Amino acid sequence: NAGVTQTPKFRILKIGQSMTLQCTQDMNHNYMYWYRQDPGMGLKLIYYSVGAGITDKGEVPNGYNVSRSTTEDFPLRLELAAPSQTSVYFCATRRGGGADTQYFGPGTRLTVL
Amino acid sequence: GENVEQHPSTLSVQEGDSAVIKCTYSDSASNYFPWYKQELGKRPQLIIDIRSNVGEKKDQRIAVTLNKTAKHFSLHITETQPEDSAVYFCEPRWGSGNTPLVFGKGTRLSVIA
Repeated sequence: NAGVTQTPKFRILKIGQSMTLQCTQDMNHNYMYWYRQDPGMGLKLIYYSVGAGITDKGEVPNGYNVSRSTTEDFPLRLELAAPSQTSVYFCATRRGGGADTQYFGPGTRLTVL
Repeated sequence: GENVEQHPSTLSVQEGDSAVIKCTYSDSASNYFPWYKQELGKRPQLIIDIRSNVGEKKDQRIAVTLNKTAKHFSLHITETQPEDSAVYFCEPRWGSGNTPLVFGKGTRLSVIA
């Protein structure tokens, strides 16, 4: 039971490049979230999903896209990377439907140069 | 949506002293009140939570108190130790809702040995 896994752990991108951050969970949770955390700052919600086929924008969605074709996977796509997207990205899941815990993945540290 | 304020943003205490962090929220429908701890370079992890039908919950050296009338809840850490040094986040929510989750901006606690 791996919980929430994220790949890659680290990545350096050049301005204008694209990439996909992977998030996979084996907890059979309905709800999944993508957050970014800038150095010394709090967590900002990028996108979230309450089930396969359903996604919605969070506080800071510009420059990102998501899809949720299965319960397990919730990839985050960065198009045309910019230095402002340098951050640590966390994926999180929860069962949903009640007062339940969010479980976070280990994070992906992204640098855009 | 939920407006969340967390105070203080930084807190330094001597080892053995107590620390209190307060989280104020706006949505009177909120009924679940977790606190997360994030150690340097790690993912946030739940340390304690409380539901709206309970006024206080304790787990060894940590406790959470809830004042639903005033719409705030607090994290209390007693007999602080160096390993308590971390960033702490609150995340009040309506447990059954599908709305985006909102975190407080975090409190950086430093325990000085």
